[in-house]
Amino acid sequence: NAGVTQTPKFRVLKTGQSMTLLCAQDMNHEYMYWYRQDPGMGLRLIHYSVGEGTTAKGEVPDGYNVSRLKKQNFLLGLESAAPSQTSVYFCASSWDLGANTGELFFGEGSRLTVL
Amino acid sequence: GENVEQHPSTLSVQEGDSAVIKCTYSDSASNYFPWYKQELGKGPQLIIDIRSNVGEKKDQRIAVTLNKTAKHFSLHITETQPEDSAVYFCAASISGGYQKVTFGTGTKLQVIP
Repeated sequence: NAGVTQTPKFRVLKTGQSMTLLCAQDMNHEYMYWYRQDPGMGLRLIHYSVGEGTTAKGEVPDGYNVSRLKKQNFLLGLESAAPSQTSVYFCASSWDLGANTGELFFGEGSRLTVL
Repeated sequence: GENVEQHPSTLSVQEGDSAVIKCTYSDSASNYFPWYKQELGKGPQLIIDIRSNVGEKKDQRIAVTLNKTAKHFSLHITETQPEDSAVYFCAASISGGYQKVTFGTGTKLQVIP
């Protein structure tokens, strides 16, 4: 049972380049999330999804797009990377419909540097 | 929206001593308060949580207390061990389904052997 898997783990981009981060979960969770983590700012929600084919904006959505074409996958895209998007990105999932828990399950993170 | 403040930002304790991390929240509708531990190079992992109908919860060496009136909650770690060294995040949310979770800014705990 792999849980939540993120790829790639590390990436360096030049300003203006595009890239996609992939998140996959094998727990049949309904909800998936993308967070960014910056020093002194905790975890901030970028976008989230409450089910296959749905997405919604979080706290800091500008400059990012997401898609959830399959229940187990949640993609985060940067169309034109900026240095301000240098961060560690975490994917999370939650809500097994058979469980009464609010626990978020996180991946191990993807460190992105934009030069 | 919800605002969660967490203190201190860093905490150093001697092995065997206790550690306390405090958080306050602003939205009285929040009713679920998880604590996550993040080890170096890893994603956060839930260590304990508490719901608003409970004042205290314990799990071995860790405990969480909640004061709904004052809108604050705390994490207590007793008999600290070097493996407790990590970053701890408190959070507040409204439970059920989609987790609209607001995180605190984190506390880096160092346990000195």
